[in-house]
Amino acid sequence: AQSVTQLDSQVPVFEEAPVELRCNYSSSVSVYLFWYVQYPNQGLQLLLKYLSGSTLVKGINGFEAEFNKSQTSFHLRKPSVHISDTAEYFCAVSGHGGTSYGKLTFGQGTILTVHP
Amino acid sequence: EAQVTQNPRYLITVTGKKLTVTCSQNMNHEYMSWYRQDPGLGLRQIYYSMNVEVTDKGDVPEGYKVSRKEKRNFPLILESPSPNQTSLYFCASSLTPQGYGANVLTFGAGSRLTVL
Repeated sequence: AQSVTQLDSQVPVFEEAPVELRCNYSSSVSVYLFWYVQYPNQGLQLLLKYLSGSTLVKGINGFEAEFNKSQTSFHLRKPSVHISDTAEYFCAVSGHGGTSYGKLTFGQGTILTVHP
Repeated sequence: EAQVTQNPRYLITVTGKKLTVTCSQNMNHEYMSWYRQDPGLGLRQIYYSMNVEVTDKGDVPEGYKVSRKEKRNFPLILESPSPNQTSLYFCASSLTPQGYGANVLTFGAGSRLTVL
């Protein structure tokens, strides 16, 4: 079985400030990790993914995430946010190997609100 | 434009009145899936399809049916809707049902369903 916990349900931040959205996962097999973003009244779109290799992954719109295997975390960061980053962010995990192969499990979501 | 199209986008119905939410993709994707999104619960998978005529249950299949008669279409059927099926529904697709590619999903814009 696999699971994802997003540690903050809401994160308010001022424009141009840095932000970190926290994500922890559990899995009995090796994992692929993803961050998806949902802008208001839209479907989700892929922000970035970790498959293997370098633990620092860069995505669209200046976001990056770091895979930490020992802490089973995949936190999302941006050094300076913009009003347009206001959205809900979902961390997701997919195990490869065993019975969880290919299944994607989403976290509960973190609502990022950027204030002027 | 490559996209996943869902209809209707908004629907209010009454308990027990059968309804179908359509989903169509124009990307020749093999894998399609339905999710429901509820506050604080993130996205939960209802059903998925690895290819034409191949469907399987996700995490919350009770009260739903699906079919995959053609590669591009994956309708979600609620035979006898109940108020606990009030939710935001997303259809998604990916090129391949295997490996990490199965998790790089293209989402529709969502269908907000209210069951009275």
